[in-house]
Amino acid sequence: DAGVTQSPTHLIKTRGQQVTLRCSPKSGHDTVSWYQQALGQGPQFIFQYYEEEERQRGNFPDRFSGHQFPNYSSELNVNALLLGDSALYLCASSRETGSGPLIGSGYTFGSGTRLTVV
Amino acid sequence: GQNIDQPTEMTATEGAIVQINCTYQTSGFNGLFWYQQHAGEAPTFLSYNVLDGLEEKGRFSSFLSRSKGYSYLLLKELQMKDSASYLCAVVSGANNLFFGTGTRLTVIP
Repeated sequence: DAGVTQSPTHLIKTRGQQVTLRCSPKSGHDTVSWYQQALGQGPQFIFQYYEEEERQRGNFPDRFSGHQFPNYSSELNVNALLLGDSALYLCASSRETGSGPLIGSGYTFGSGTRLTVV
Repeated sequence: GQNIDQPTEMTATEGAIVQINCTYQTSGFNGLFWYQQHAGEAPTFLSYNVLDGLEEKGRFSSFLSRSKGYSYLLLKELQMKDSASYLCAVVSGANNLFFGTGTRLTVIP
């Protein structure tokens, strides 16, 4: 039973460029959330996708956008990269039930993509 | 808004007990998670509390008081491998996780 898979694992981009990060959720999960984790900080919520729609969004500018595909996988796109976008980007998947996600240990994190903007 | 506070760093001795506190003020509450994260790795699940009280799982225990907006993670019989960051995260909104900044625990011999 595969866990959450993220690609690429590491990425170096130049300021002003655009980047796309990818996430495949755990088998049986249908909801994907993205987080940005700067060095020495806790993960910050970017947005969550369910049924191919952005369901909730954190305090991130429109340069951050995403997509969810019919197979539940997801992409995070960041345009006009800034030096401050350098961080570990984490994807977490969960399974939505009628009254919310399968909680308990229901959130599974990928190992992340380390993005460095130079 | 969401406000989750935990100490930035703690140091404890191998074999000892350490308690990591977390206080929160959030718009909505659907439970509280504790995660362990080693540097450069994914957070891994430690515990989940949704009702008041203590949840024990081996060397790790977690406590929640919803009326006080307070939780703690208790680690017993500390081992060197327990050196890591410990993240407190509240489930709020559309069941999203909101994290504190994390507590970096260093276990010394």
